[in-house]
Amino acid sequence: DTAVSQTPKYLVTQMGNDKSIKCEQNLGHDTMYWYKQDSKKFLKIMFSYNNKELIINETVPNRFSPKSPDKAHLNLHINSLELGDSAVYFCASSQVAGTGELFFGEGSRLTVL
Amino acid sequence: QQPVQSPQAVILREGEDAVINCSSSKALYSVHWYRQKHGEAPVFLMILLKGGEQKGHDKISASFNEKKQQSSLYLTASQLSYSGTYFCGSSNDYKLSFGAGTTVTVRA
Repeated sequence: DTAVSQTPKYLVTQMGNDKSIKCEQNLGHDTMYWYKQDSKKFLKIMFSYNNKELIINETVPNRFSPKSPDKAHLNLHINSLELGDSAVYFCASSQVAGTGELFFGEGSRLTVL
Repeated sequence: QQPVQSPQAVILREGEDAVINCSSSKALYSVHWYRQKHGEAPVFLMILLKGGEQKGHDKISASFNEKKQQSSLYLTASQLSYSGTYFCGSSNDYKLSFGAGTTVTVRA
């Protein structure tokens, strides 16, 4: 039973399109995150939700909109995709915001052509 | 602000040792270490919460010098399975910020 699961694993799309990535965790954690990992492997935090409430928004363009319908789910919608959005997006969860072990999903590799 | 890691990369032969350093210009309240194998998600190794704390995981251990705002990860008698990218993370303001990573390659 996967602790943090993301779908889809791979997305290939054209510039200007809109895409969504879904994430679900069955660990009972209160906090969920989106991280972006670029081609140089740099892992950068984008958003964090604690019990469905947005607590971190790291100067991410407005084209990125996270949504947390409940504390077990965190989705990421991206509008008007650009070449620079190509990356691996990781969802993660932890029991307490910013501390404790982070459990990562397998990642969603987005390629914008 | 993310912590700074060094070196960027290290190549080892099986059985050799290595040290990865992590430092921060801001106060470090805790240090987290993760390893990511190629094509996989980062996996938690350990957290150090107090200055002077040392922890071990298999033959991988770490220390935390709170005053110097530094942590070091020690790979002892490296195995092929130690290959991957190691990230340190600093916890601040409800978020975990990662360093740029250190790529470790262990060769037979």
